[in-house]
Amino acid sequence: DIVMTQSPDSLAVSLGERATINCKSSQSVLHSSNNKNYLAWYQQRPGQPPKLLIYWASTRESGVPDRFSGSGSGTDFTLTISSLQAEDVAVYYCQQYYVTPPLTFGGGTSVEIK
Amino acid sequence: QVQLVESGGGVVQPGRSLRLSCAASGFTFSSHPMHWVRQAPGKGLEWLTVISYDGNNQYYADSVRGRFTISRDNPTNTVYLEMSSLRAEDTAVYYCAREWLTNVHYFYGMDVWGQGTTVTVSS
Repeated sequence: DIVMTQSPDSLAVSLGERATINCKSSQSVLHSSNNKNYLAWYQQRPGQPPKLLIYWASTRESGVPDRFSGSGSGTDFTLTISSLQAEDVAVYYCQQYYVTPPLTFGGGTSVEIK
Repeated sequence: QVQLVESGGGVVQPGRSLRLSCAASGFTFSSHPMHWVRQAPGKGLEWLTVISYDGNNQYYADSVRGRFTISRDNPTNTVYLEMSSLRAEDTAVYYCAREWLTNVHYFYGMDVWGQGTTVTVSS
């Protein structure tokens, strides 16, 4: 199984500042046939179910604000919130779909306001 | 609107069984594989199982294989999770979620989630 490791476990960022979350996979999730990274990001606000934010490592789901961006390739990925808003307080998870099943998630990164 | 509603959670004794249901609406249910994902208190997300769009294929996480069974009824737009031999470590919120791919027998991720149903395994 592909193991997903996120860092940091938590971070506190001031409103309007940048938040950066890292995700590392135990093997490459870049598919050579289509040059796509099989990685998604989810947001889970307190008391809510997860919400799909980004897929193919950098494609925003419909309706997701453009302050959210995904980057990276191979085994190292980043979710960036360019200007943190109060509603962005949440836990963020990465998930690989290069080898499924199982679908595997990172351990999550909690983002709070400083 | 697109919606998933789970039900069937509750308090159950160790070793007993429980069946969860997930009612889907607002989309062509029979075209989408369906997943179950759980979240133990204060913990992260754990993928459990998926069933193909036609119900012909099921896959499980090692942690539940042999104890949990996923099934679906396309005419009633419902997916089920039958849980047996429950353990304290199965205590969690259980989410059903829609696979974003349609009409294929492989799986990428979840684009629609229910609100979850809570299962507590305790004597």
